[in-house]
Amino acid sequence: AQSVTQLGSHVSVSEGALVLLRCNYSSSVPPYLFWYVQYPNQGLQLLLKYTTGATLVKGINGFEAEFKKSETSFHLTKPSAHMSDAAEYFCAVSDPYAGKSTFGDGTTLTVKP
Amino acid sequence: DGGITQSPKYLFRKEGQNVTLSCEQNLNHDAMYWYRQDPGQGLRLIYYSQIVNDFQKGDIAEGYSVSREKKESFPLTVTSAQKNPTAFYLCASSTDRSTEAFFGQGTRLTVV
Repeated sequence: AQSVTQLGSHVSVSEGALVLLRCNYSSSVPPYLFWYVQYPNQGLQLLLKYTTGATLVKGINGFEAEFKKSETSFHLTKPSAHMSDAAEYFCAVSDPYAGKSTFGDGTTLTVKP
Repeated sequence: DGGITQSPKYLFRKEGQNVTLSCEQNLNHDAMYWYRQDPGQGLRLIYYSQIVNDFQKGDIAEGYSVSREKKESFPLTVTSAQKNPTAFYLCASSTDRSTEAFFGQGTRLTVV
């Protein structure tokens, strides 16, 4: 079985501040991990993914995430928030043997001017 | 351009009626998925299909049905047995079971 916990349903930061969105996972097999972004009334768009190899993963729009096996975490960061980053963010874990992904409940990011 | 098309974007139905949501992809992906999204609950898997003419129940399949007669198409029927059908429905596809999903723009279903 697999699960995802996103800590904090709402995160608010000032423009230019560090963005940190937390994700912890549980998986019985080596996981594939993803971060997606969703703007209002739209579908999800992939930000970045970890499958194997380098544990620090860089994605689009300046976001990155680090896979830490010992902490079962995959936190999403961005050094400097922009107003356009305001959206909902979802962490997901995929079990390649099960053929499906499990999503977290999402974190809404608000960016204050 | 390749992508996933969901239609319609907004759908209104009377209680007790069945309704079918369309999902078409031209990405040549084998796997397709249907998710339901409710505020504060993230995405919950309804049905998924790894290959034509085969599909599996997800976590919340009761009151829903699907078919996969063509690789490109994976329609979802919300039946009258679904107790609370009002939600945002998302269709997705992927090349295989381990890769990232590509999502459609969603269909917002309101049952009155």
